[in-house]
Amino acid sequence: AQSVTQLDSQVPVFEEAPVELRCNYSSSVSVYLFWYVQYPNQGLQLLLKYLSGSTLVESINGFEAEFNKSQTSFHLRKPSVHISDTAEYFCAVSGSGGYQKVTFGTGTKLQVIP
Amino acid sequence: DGGITQSPKYLFRKEGQNVTLSCEQNLNHDAMYWYRQDPGQGLRLIYYSQIVNDFQKGDIAEGYSVSREKKESFPLTVTSAQKNPTAFYLCASRPTGEYGYTFGSGTRLTVV
Repeated sequence: AQSVTQLDSQVPVFEEAPVELRCNYSSSVSVYLFWYVQYPNQGLQLLLKYLSGSTLVESINGFEAEFNKSQTSFHLRKPSVHISDTAEYFCAVSGSGGYQKVTFGTGTKLQVIP
Repeated sequence: DGGITQSPKYLFRKEGQNVTLSCEQNLNHDAMYWYRQDPGQGLRLIYYSQIVNDFQKGDIAEGYSVSREKKESFPLTVTSAQKNPTAFYLCASRPTGEYGYTFGSGTRLTVV
């Protein structure tokens, strides 16, 4: 069995400040990890993913996440947030190697304050 | 542009009525999924299909049914047996060999 924990349900941050959204996972097998973003009343969009290789993965809009196997974490960071980053962010985990079921976290709402 | 179309965006039904949510994709993806989203609970898997004419139950399949007669289409029926059907429903797809989903924009179902 696998699980994902996003401890922070809401994270307020001022514009241009850095932000970290925390994600911890539990799994008995090797994992793939994902971050998705959801804007109000829309579907989710894949932000970035870790499958293998470099433990630091980046998105095209300045977010990055680092896979830390020893701490079973995959925290999402951005050095300077913009108003347009206001959204809900979901961490997800699946087993590696062929299709495995994906488990989503409960989400973190990022509120960027002008 | 390729993508997933969910319709309608908002749906209202009376309690006891069955309702079918549409999901169509033109991405040529083999696998398709239905998730239910409730506030504070993340996404929960209802049904998934990895190939035409085959589908499997997810974690919360009770009260729901699906079909996969065409690669492009994966409709979800919410039956009267679903005790709490009011929710936001998301359809997703994934190509074989890839590990990220493409999501539709969702259908918000309200049962009154």
